[in-house]
Amino acid sequence: GAVVSQHPSRVICKSGTSVKIECRSLDFQATTMFWYRQFPKQSLMLMATSNEGSKATYEQGVEKDKFLINHASLTLSTLTVTSAHPEDSSFYICSAVWGLTNEQFFGPGTRLTVL
Amino acid sequence: QKEVEQDPGPLSVPEGAIVSLNCTYSNSAFQYFMWYRQYSRKGPELLMYTYSSGNKEDGRFTAQVDKSSKYISLFIRDSQPSDSATYLCAMSLGGNQFYFGTGTSLTVIP
Repeated sequence: GAVVSQHPSRVICKSGTSVKIECRSLDFQATTMFWYRQFPKQSLMLMATSNEGSKATYEQGVEKDKFLINHASLTLSTLTVTSAHPEDSSFYICSAVWGLTNEQFFGPGTRLTVL
Repeated sequence: QKEVEQDPGPLSVPEGAIVSLNCTYSNSAFQYFMWYRQYSRKGPELLMYTYSSGNKEDGRFTAQVDKSSKYISLFIRDSQPSDSATYLCAMSLGGNQFYFGTGTSLTVIP
C-alpha cells in the first residue's frame, strides 16, 4: 500500500511553545489530507480536512488559530499546535487520500506531550 | 442515528479461531468500504478496500459488503496473536468525506 510518513513520531514540549508536525505522502500525490486526534482507547476524531493550495476546513469545535494547517504541496501538509498546553497532549494522526481510488492511508502518528 | 455502527467489543478468541467483525450503516449511497487495523500507539493500517458490493479476499482476510442489508464484514481465518488490535471500518461516498466506526478491540489468545 501507499506510504504516509509523519515527523516527529514523538515530541515533548513546555507549555506555551509551538509544535509543528509534518505529514508526507511518499509515493503518491494526495488530493486531500486529513488531521485526526486520538485519545487513549478512543476512536479517531477528525480535526480538519486539508487540500493543497486552499484553506483547511476545520471540524466544529476545533480552534483554527490554535491548530494551524498548511498544505504546501500535493505531498506535504503540516499541523502546528500553537501555544500548546497540557490539554493538547494527545496522539495526532494524519492521513492522505489517493484520488484515483479514494483510498485513505494513515501516517504512523505523533505523540505530543505538553508539560 | 450514527452513519456507521460498530460493536466496540472487546472480542477475545483463541488462536486459530475464525473472527467475524461487522459494521452496519445507514446511508445507502456509500460506495467505498474499508477495514483498518490499528495497533496500540500506531496509525491505522489499511487492510481491505472494496468498491461497491461483493467479496474480496487477501490471505487470511476476507471482506464482504452487502449493500442490500447495509452491512459489511471482515473475516479473519486462522487468527494469530499478532492479529490482536483494534479494527476500524470506514465508508465513503467518494470525495472527501469518510465515516468511521468506533472500532472493535480484538484479542487473540495463544
